[in-house]
Amino acid sequence: GAVVSQHPSWVICKSGTSVKIECRSLDFQATTMFWYRQFPKQSLMLMATSNEGSKATYEQGVEKDKFLINHASLTLSTLTVTSAHPEDSSFYICSASPGISYGYTFGSGTRLTVV
Amino acid sequence: RKEVEQDPGPFNVPEGATVAFNCTYSNSASQSFFWYRQDCRKEPKLLMSVYSSGNEDGRFTAQLNRASQYISLLIRDSKLSDSATYLCVVYSGAGSYQLTFGKGTKLSVIP
Repeated sequence: GAVVSQHPSWVICKSGTSVKIECRSLDFQATTMFWYRQFPKQSLMLMATSNEGSKATYEQGVEKDKFLINHASLTLSTLTVTSAHPEDSSFYICSASPGISYGYTFGSGTRLTVV
Repeated sequence: RKEVEQDPGPFNVPEGATVAFNCTYSNSASQSFFWYRQDCRKEPKLLMSVYSSGNEDGRFTAQLNRASQYISLLIRDSKLSDSATYLCVVYSGAGSYQLTFGKGTKLSVIP
């Protein structure tokens, strides 16, 4: 149990375009999902907490107008990278949990390359 | 002081060796602790939760010392397939639901 599906696995886009990443909890409901970013040889850094039915909570230094988060249902959160630039190239990962005793499950991640 | 600190890597060990990773955390109110494993260019996967009484899962043993704010992971009889980065993860609770990750320790098990 506790499966989190993330799509796409990788995407290459041109500068200035927008990219949407989906994160789905397949066998449980998640009122809260988390979005992380990981640069090469760095640890995962929390970008934002996605809350079902309300606004996301962004970490300091993360531009909410650039990284749009929508959590419209209990099983789906989306992250849209708007007007992407090469410095946005990174590994984006979502996670959710049916309960802390189960730990957190991560999606398979999305490798974004902006050219 | 960083919130979650881990041993610097990389650890290069021969097959069959025993290796230990250490981790310290700064938030004394932290509630739950985990070790995750992350393979290159992949997402982290839960290896085991860490309990105050210590817990063991096959070749893996995790220990928690709340007084010292210290967590450890012991891997016995290392296999080639154990090669990965091991992440110490702390859950602070208090309504935040946030996980704080250590930078990870890279393990390479060599033949």
